[in-house]
Amino acid sequence: KQEVTQIPAALSVPEGENLVLNCSFTDSAIYNLQWFRQDPGKGLTSLLLIQSSQREQTSGRLNASLDKSSGRSTLYIAASQPGDSATYLCAVIQDTDKLIFGTGTRLQVFP
Amino acid sequence: EAQVTQNPRYLITVTGKKLTVTCSQNMNHEYMSWYRQDPGLGLRQIYYSMNVEVTDKGDVPEGYKVSRKEKRNFPLILESPSPNQTSLYFCASSPYTSLNTEAFFGQGTRLTVV
Repeated sequence: KQEVTQIPAALSVPEGENLVLNCSFTDSAIYNLQWFRQDPGKGLTSLLLIQSSQREQTSGRLNASLDKSSGRSTLYIAASQPGDSATYLCAVIQDTDKLIFGTGTRLQVFP
Repeated sequence: EAQVTQNPRYLITVTGKKLTVTCSQNMNHEYMSWYRQDPGLGLRQIYYSMNVEVTDKGDVPEGYKVSRKEKRNFPLILESPSPNQTSLYFCASSPYTSLNTEAFFGQGTRLTVV
């Protein structure tokens, strides 16, 4: 059974730092991996989708990498801002019928 | 604007009183799904649909029903809600009949059953 874990569970950093959020999964047979952002009282916002054949994707200050063989993905946030404060979730698709979510990393960026 | 819309956003109800949470998408997506999010358990899939009139159980379907009579709508029905169904619910959609590309989520429905 696929299990997705995110470390750390919570992170508090000063503004301007570069951050790395980690996601690991136990079964490397995935179709793709998606990173989301969740703000309190709001839905999930898709940040980046990495297909299984890709190594990384970039969007603005965000860069996500995927290493299927080792069962790992990282989300890199450059020059963090207070507006980046949110919970970040990774999810894998294995059988094309559902997303399997990680436990999330709660990020706080303070001025 | 392309979006997944859930209603209501917040709902407090009593045990046993049937309720429906609506979900609508305006992107002509084939695939739709419902998840619930609980502290310590994360997001878990309740039901999904790969096409009109095609629905299937997810990981936690007990106590829920769904229907997919038209492509844009995928309501979640709780025939007899119980307190253990108190949760944050999310509807999601994706372009194709199988979930192999980006998924889009609604704003969530916070349900409390007393």
